[in-house]
Amino acid sequence: GAGVSQSPRYKVAKRGQDVALRCDPISGHVSLFWYQQALGQGPEFLTYFQNEAQLDKSGLPSDRFFAERPEGSVSTLKIQRTQQEDSAVYLCASTQGRTNEKLFFGSGTQLSVL
Amino acid sequence: GNSVTQMEGPVTLSEEAFLTINCTYTATGYPSLFWYVQYPGEGLQLLLKATKADDKGSNKGFEATYRKETTSFHLEKGSVQVSDSAVYFCALTSTNAGKSTFGDGTTLTVKP
Repeated sequence: GAGVSQSPRYKVAKRGQDVALRCDPISGHVSLFWYQQALGQGPEFLTYFQNEAQLDKSGLPSDRFFAERPEGSVSTLKIQRTQQEDSAVYLCASTQGRTNEKLFFGSGTQLSVL
Repeated sequence: GNSVTQMEGPVTLSEEAFLTINCTYTATGYPSLFWYVQYPGEGLQLLLKATKADDKGSNKGFEATYRKETTSFHLEKGSVQVSDSAVYFCALTSTNAGKSTFGDGTTLTVKP
């Protein structure tokens, strides 16, 4: 596609509900990143894939967070048993190859947990 | 670990004023440095980057120089426009790590 696409754009969940956030990177981009952005703060790293391999998941805040990229393109970030503190914008970004290249960001999914 | 510190905002300027947004960093090794911009209603996009010491990144009239001795990457523009109103993020990526580390962002408002 022309850019990184994320869906849904907005998600409201009741506390305890499971949610799944989708990211469709730019076609052919090898690396894919998930970031969490709280209001008024910069993006915080969650996890990173190179093709289908999850190379770094050190930023995932708890075992309720799980990400996958089974075919090396589309990725899904799943949050189980959502809590209010999970409310944030979840950003996906991709790069063509090596990680020091610029990141291409999607518009994000704004998650609100009530 | 790596960290990025940006000057706190918000920053409000009149059109044609000079802009400086300070950014300092802490990192192991020799990171690449970036400025990203987020215009209202849009996603983050790269503004400029520098990959080694003394490199100057530039784009759309904005400049930033990679200063290893002061661990800084300050963003400057000689004459801002109303259309430059946005949130600006300083970021770094270490050579041996995939992830980028971001500052908290500085909101710039330019008034006509």
